Amino acid sequence: ETGVTQSPTHLIKTRGQQVTLRCSSQSGHNTVSWYQQALGQGPQFIFQYYREEENGRGNFPPRFSGLQFPNYSSELNVNALELDDSALYLCASSHSGGNYEQYFGPGTRLTVT
Amino acid sequence: AQSVTQPDIHITVSEGASLELRCNYSYGATPYLFWYVQSPGQGLQLLLKYFSGDTLVQGIKGFEAEFKRSQSSFNLRKPSVHWSDAAEYFCAVGANTASKLTFGTGTRLQVTL
Repeated sequence: ETGVTQSPTHLIKTRGQQVTLRCSSQSGHNTVSWYQQALGQGPQFIFQYYREEENGRGNFPPRFSGLQFPNYSSELNVNALELDDSALYLCASSHSGGNYEQYFGPGTRLTVT
Repeated sequence: AQSVTQPDIHITVSEGASLELRCNYSYGATPYLFWYVQSPGQGLQLLLKYFSGDTLVQGIKGFEAEFKRSQSSFNLRKPSVHWSDAAEYFCAVGANTASKLTFGTGTRLQVTL
């Protein structure tokens, strides 16, 4: 059992709206990464947070933003939703330093209509 | 820039037959290489990883992978496939185990009885 949880499981939004997705990291992990997985594709890196600071970002526009909290839970916020934002959003937690693997949550399926 | 290519979109094998899934990577330094499995509606589970040492690595569920630097490949193998192995398989590359991962587009494995 990985211990990474995400909420909600599924979400339907309308184009132009805003959405917040949540991730609870595995106990003791100080790093969280978010990925977008479009249908039939591999996950694409959105950004990573380490000790509440953004620590790397992929090729995503600024309307994708995030937060990491002192308890290492995390949020992904997406503003001005577009149809192409429909995807499975995965978070992964890890502990930096050493060879600790990343544990993935089950994901949130976002549908934008 | 780092990239991963999985040439086979879909593979069908009979239960009990051997399996090899191909992965080629492009990375500027010594890569960390990973294979993940994703069942429908699930997150990603790490099968195995490689970053140094013996180029043949053993993973969970009877899987193994061989790193070949000269061919920039990290192919996944299993000597005898079980029906429960049907899933999507992703190869990924990163700078370390906690860093951002670049995934391939995945190979969908179907197992016939």
